[in-house]
Amino acid sequence: QKEVEQNSGPLSVPEGAIASLNCTYSDRGSQSFFWYRQYSGKSPELIMFIYSNGDKEDGRFTAQLNKASQYVSLLIRDSQPSDSATYLCAVYYGGSQGNLIFGKGTKLSVKP
Amino acid sequence: SAVISQKPSRDICQRGTSLTIQCQVDSQVTMMFWYRQQPGQSLTLIATANQGSEATYESGFVIDKFPISRPNLTFSTLTVSNMSPEDSSIYLCSVGGSVYEQYFGPGTRLTVT
Repeated sequence: QKEVEQNSGPLSVPEGAIASLNCTYSDRGSQSFFWYRQYSGKSPELIMFIYSNGDKEDGRFTAQLNKASQYVSLLIRDSQPSDSATYLCAVYYGGSQGNLIFGKGTKLSVKP
Repeated sequence: SAVISQKPSRDICQRGTSLTIQCQVDSQVTMMFWYRQQPGQSLTLIATANQGSEATYESGFVIDKFPISRPNLTFSTLTVSNMSPEDSSIYLCSVGGSVYEQYFGPGTRLTVT
């Protein structure tokens, strides 16, 4: 059974610090990896995707992928209180586009 | 990305009744999906809404309980039938993007009493 694991948190970091969110997945054939941000009471919003080993940077966000270790992470630099949300990791493992498995999410709290 | 709207945004329903949720996209999309997110949980795919044919349901979800329509490339409906309190959840539609990502509508918050 294909699984995506995340630490549920809450992860608490001070404003201006780096927040590190981690995700592991079970299927070695997984092809693409996505990070979603979900504010309380809102729907998930796509913030990053990555499909090659290494780092991908977009503004304050960096996604890191290590397929050998089946591990993907999201770094948020200069964390702001507005980054406080639940971050969902999603893994596409091929075939139908609906084959997107979501983790349960990590709740991030950025303290002013 | 496409702009996605859902109606209603929230509803409170009596057990045994049915509710139809609408999902409208501002551009034609091939792939549309319906998810459920129960309180404090992650997203669970209910089905893929196929244009012009029957929806493809995931394990644990059946057409009699969650009938889906997809009459064209911009619109879909999900009906939650014969509701029970266990159906209280947020229901989300999503559309597929070019690199297998998905974009979500604002969701419908359903409470069954």
